[in-house]
Amino acid sequence: AQSVTQLDSHVSVSEGTPVLLRCNYSSSYSPSLFWYVQHPNKGLQLLLKYTSAATLVKGINGFEAEFKKSETSFHLTKPSAHMSDAAEYFCVVSLLTGGGNKLTFGTGTQLKVEL
Amino acid sequence: DTAVSQTPKYLVTQMGNDKSIKCEQNLGHDTMYWYKQDSKKFLKIMFSYNNKELIINETVPNRFSPKSPDKAHLNLHINSLELGDSAVYFCASSQAGGQPQHFGDGTRLSIL
Repeated sequence: AQSVTQLDSHVSVSEGTPVLLRCNYSSSYSPSLFWYVQHPNKGLQLLLKYTSAATLVKGINGFEAEFKKSETSFHLTKPSAHMSDAAEYFCVVSLLTGGGNKLTFGTGTQLKVEL
Repeated sequence: DTAVSQTPKYLVTQMGNDKSIKCEQNLGHDTMYWYKQDSKKFLKIMFSYNNKELIINETVPNRFSPKSPDKAHLNLHINSLELGDSAVYFCASSQAGGQPQHFGDGTRLSIL
């Protein structure tokens, strides 16, 4: 079984300050982990993915995440928030099945960016 | 070009009706998926097809029937709509082997 826990349902930061969105996972296997972003009335866009290569993963729009096996964490960070970063963020763990991968989503963290 | 496209974007209908949502992907992916996002934004997989064959079928009422005429299309038909079916439905696609999934913009289904 696999699961994902996003520790904060809402995070609020000021523009130009760092962003930290926290995620812990549970997986019976060596996991593939993703972060997706969802802007209002839009689909989900892949930010970055971890698939057992480098533990520090760089994504789009200046985001990065660090895989820490000892802490079973995959937190998402960005050095400086921009207004356009305001959105819902999902941490996702993937389980390979025959022919495809089954994604288990966290409950999401809504990021608010204030002036 | 839109990679994963869903139609319609909005669907408002009455309880008891039957409706379909269409999905097409032009990425050449082998696998397609349907997800349901509830009012609290929780996303849960419903179905997955690989090369037109059903490979994931979560606990979904049999009023929901996916159909894949070819590997670029995965449609979702819903019979006898209920109030609890109100949600946003997302289609996605991926290559095999744990590759990331690409999502459509969603279909917002509202049951009156």
